[in-house]
Amino acid sequence: EAGVVQSPRYKIIEKKQPVAFWCNPISGHNTLYWYRQNLGQGPELLIRYENEEAVDDSQLPKDRFSAERLKGVDSTLKIQPAELGDSAVYLCASSSSGTSVSHEQFFGPGTRLTVL
Amino acid sequence: DQQVKQNSPSLSVQEGRISILNCDYTNSMFDYFLWYKKYPAEGPTFLISISSIKDKNEDGRFTVFLNKSAKHLSLHIVPSQPGDSAVYFCAAQIQGAQKLVFGQGTRLTINP
Repeated sequence: EAGVVQSPRYKIIEKKQPVAFWCNPISGHNTLYWYRQNLGQGPELLIRYENEEAVDDSQLPKDRFSAERLKGVDSTLKIQPAELGDSAVYLCASSSSGTSVSHEQFFGPGTRLTVL
Repeated sequence: DQQVKQNSPSLSVQEGRISILNCDYTNSMFDYFLWYKKYPAEGPTFLISISSIKDKNEDGRFTVFLNKSAKHLSLHIVPSQPGDSAVYFCAAQIQGAQKLVFGQGTRLTINP
């Protein structure tokens, strides 16, 4: 069974440019998460989707970040415009619907973003 | 406001010995705790968890201990193997909230 797929794996852009990350969760997983991991820190949740609905986006910087999951399957996270402080690894995770036990979150390999 | 703290950025242990990784938390509402393991260029993978109604959970070489009064948990790996070299993250959750709060991670190196 394929795991969580993310692309690209690496992205280098100049500040003020836009960037987008794509995630395809494990088949059948209705819950999708986007995390940001800064260097030397643990992952921090940006947004959580239940199917198409963003149910927790309290940590998403809405002035420059946006996300969508139009058909309740794959998802895109966008930053526009990017700032130097956005350099981080962006992780996508998924889990089965209805579970209250977060250990069932499965993580993708992440996209490492470098903003110059 | 770091609700979950791993105060040791790194730990080096000899192969075959016990590795002990520590984690402290501040939010008394947390009632479920997890350890994740992360290799370079990969996402974190679930290792072991413990509910707040227990004080110990064991899975093979891995044991997690929870001290609620001290708001402290630890992960014991025995015996340590070279393949255990990775970054270990402690995470906490309020059950039903489906939101994990991670610590900063501890890089474990197992020396042959």
